Amino acid sequence: AQSVAQPEDQVNVAEGNPLTVKCTYSVSGNPYLFWYVQYPNRGLQFLLKYITGDNLVKGSYGFEAEFNKSQTSFHLKKPSALVSDSALYFCAVRRPSFNDYKLSFGAGTTVTVRA
Amino acid sequence: DTGVSQDPRHKITKRGQNVTFRCDPISEHNRLYWYRQTLGQGPEFLTYFQNEAQLEKSRLLSDRFSAERPKGSFSTLEIQRTEQGDSAMYLCASSPGERLTYEQYFGPGTRLTVT
Repeated sequence: AQSVAQPEDQVNVAEGNPLTVKCTYSVSGNPYLFWYVQYPNRGLQFLLKYITGDNLVKGSYGFEAEFNKSQTSFHLKKPSALVSDSALYFCAVRRPSFNDYKLSFGAGTTVTVRA
Repeated sequence: DTGVSQDPRHKITKRGQNVTFRCDPISEHNRLYWYRQTLGQGPEFLTYFQNEAQLEKSRLLSDRFSAERPKGSFSTLEIQRTEQGDSAMYLCASSPGERLTYEQYFGPGTRLTVT
């Protein structure tokens, strides 16, 4: 079985400050890891992924994430948050299998960036 | 390149009625997924198609749920004899072949309210 934990329901930061959204995962084998963002009344938008290679991956809108195998973590980061980054963020994991494509999502973290 | 589209965006129905949702994936994406998202939770996998073949169904997909993708293009999700517990956002996603990308692209969702 595969699962994701997002330990913080909410993260509040001031605009211009660093933003970190935490994610830990559980999966057999090497994971495929993803971050998605959801704005109100909209679907999930893909931000970035880790498949293999460099542990630091860069994605859309200035976001990056660091894969840490020993800590089974994949934290999302942004050096300088914007008010427009306020949204619901989901971490997801998938097994690296040829016949198992389903994503398992965490419960989500609501990010609020105050001006 | 139009994204994944879903119809309707909102559906209100009375308990016991049948409902059907439609998903149009991104053109030429051969994989199509259905997820369900309830308030305060991340999306949960329901079922997955590769072309017209339904390859996996979650145990969440009771006998009242059926999904089809008859020509390997659009898909429908039908819920028979709806119950209040079926109230949720139903999300559709699509992806191309594995060698092209690993992420799934989500539609805006259909919000179902069962009264």
